[in-house]
Amino acid sequence: SYGLTQPPSVSVSPGQTATITCSGDPFPNQYSYWYQQKAGQAPVLVIYQDFERPSGIPERFSGSVSGASVTLTISGVQAEDEADYYCQSADSTGNYWVFGGGTKLTVL
Amino acid sequence: EVQLVESGGGLVQPGGSLRLSCAASGFTFSEYWMHWVRQVPGKGLVWVARVNKDGRFTTYADSVTGRFTISRDNAKNTLYLQMKSLRVEDTAFYYCSRERFSPRDWGVDYWGQGILVTVSS
Repeated sequence: SYGLTQPPSVSVSPGQTATITCSGDPFPNQYSYWYQQKAGQAPVLVIYQDFERPSGIPERFSGSVSGASVTLTISGVQAEDEADYYCQSADSTGNYWVFGGGTKLTVL
Repeated sequence: EVQLVESGGGLVQPGGSLRLSCAASGFTFSEYWMHWVRQVPGKGLVWVARVNKDGRFTTYADSVTGRFTISRDNAKNTLYLQMKSLRVEDTAFYYCSRERFSPRDWGVDYWGQGILVTVSS
């Protein structure tokens, strides 16, 4: 089995840029996905296939890949972005999925 | 509108069994692979199981292999998770989720609201 590693927490002031990294064996060969989960709610997909944004997700959310790490960047962070963020990927067959441990984004 | 609504959760004793259901609507259920993902309250997301479009192919996380069974009834637009030999550590919110449609696009685009399973004596 394999795991994805994320920092437990990231803190930024409103208007600043937040970066959340995720490292693990699937990368860069397999796609990465990012989910936002606000307290008491189900997760929401914010980035798919490394850097694509689903419709309805603000442009300030972006994704990138560099070697065995992927990054979620939130530019011009707003108070409403405070949430837990999870990266996710799969093995080469797509049969076994894995989530990162999650990063709590605090907007100061 | 895509909707996934879980049911069947509750309190069960260690060693017991429970079956979760997920009623799907707003899309052609039989065209999508489906998953169960769980989350211990206050902890992270953990993938549990995956089933293909016709229900004939399934995969599981190591922690539930041999105890949990994912299945589906496309005529009823319903996904299931049969859980046996439940352990205290299986206590979690269980989310029904839809895999994205495109080939090799292995992420979730829709989630249910989750259902709580509590394993305790």
